[in-house]
Amino acid sequence: KAGVTQTPRYLIKTRGQQVTLSCSPISGHRSVSWYQQTPGQGLQFLFEYFSETQRNKGNFPGRFSGRQFSNSRSEMNVSTLELGDSALYLCASSLDSFNEQFFGPGTRLTVL
Amino acid sequence: AQSVAQPEDQVNVAEGNPLTVKCTYSVSGNPYLFWYVQYPNRGLQFLLKYITGDNLVKGSYGFEAEFNKSQTSFHLKKPSALVSDSALYFCAVRENNYGQNFVFGPGTRLSVLP
Repeated sequence: KAGVTQTPRYLIKTRGQQVTLSCSPISGHRSVSWYQQTPGQGLQFLFEYFSETQRNKGNFPGRFSGRQFSNSRSEMNVSTLELGDSALYLCASSLDSFNEQFFGPGTRLTVL
Repeated sequence: AQSVAQPEDQVNVAEGNPLTVKCTYSVSGNPYLFWYVQYPNRGLQFLLKYITGDNLVKGSYGFEAEFNKSQTSFHLKKPSALVSDSALYFCAVRENNYGQNFVFGPGTRLSVLP
């Protein structure tokens, strides 16, 4: 069974630009969550989607948004990028909200 | 509000010795508890979970964890450490409530010395 895939793996953007990250969950998994990982803040929850509906949202500004498609694939978007948005963005999928999550390799975003 | 604490930033242990990585949590209701490991330049990998039942949970790679409700702890243990166990370990909790999400601890870096 293929694991969680994330594209692209690396991104370099400048302040003010926007970016879209993509996540393909494990087949059959309907829950997709996104996390921001930084050395100083650790793993911070962004949002969770289940069957195309946002189930939970973390404490991030409205510049961070996401969506989930009918095939469970998910995208997250960050608009008006700031230097502090530089981080590793991890996507995780699971069968349901309370099951163990399987993480992708992440997208490393660098904002210059 | 949910929270997870991992009181040690770094744990050093000699190969062959037992290891313990500590985790304490705070939730309002019943907790679902998880341990994950992150190797350098790789995503997080699931190790084990506690949902209900036996307080001692066994997981991947010989790891186990003990759920202690009175101490609100979920410490990760292994009887004999390997150098290859050196990695970053995260404890996570999720309350049995669709309105809550996973909360991860800050991580503990485990170094197993040969």
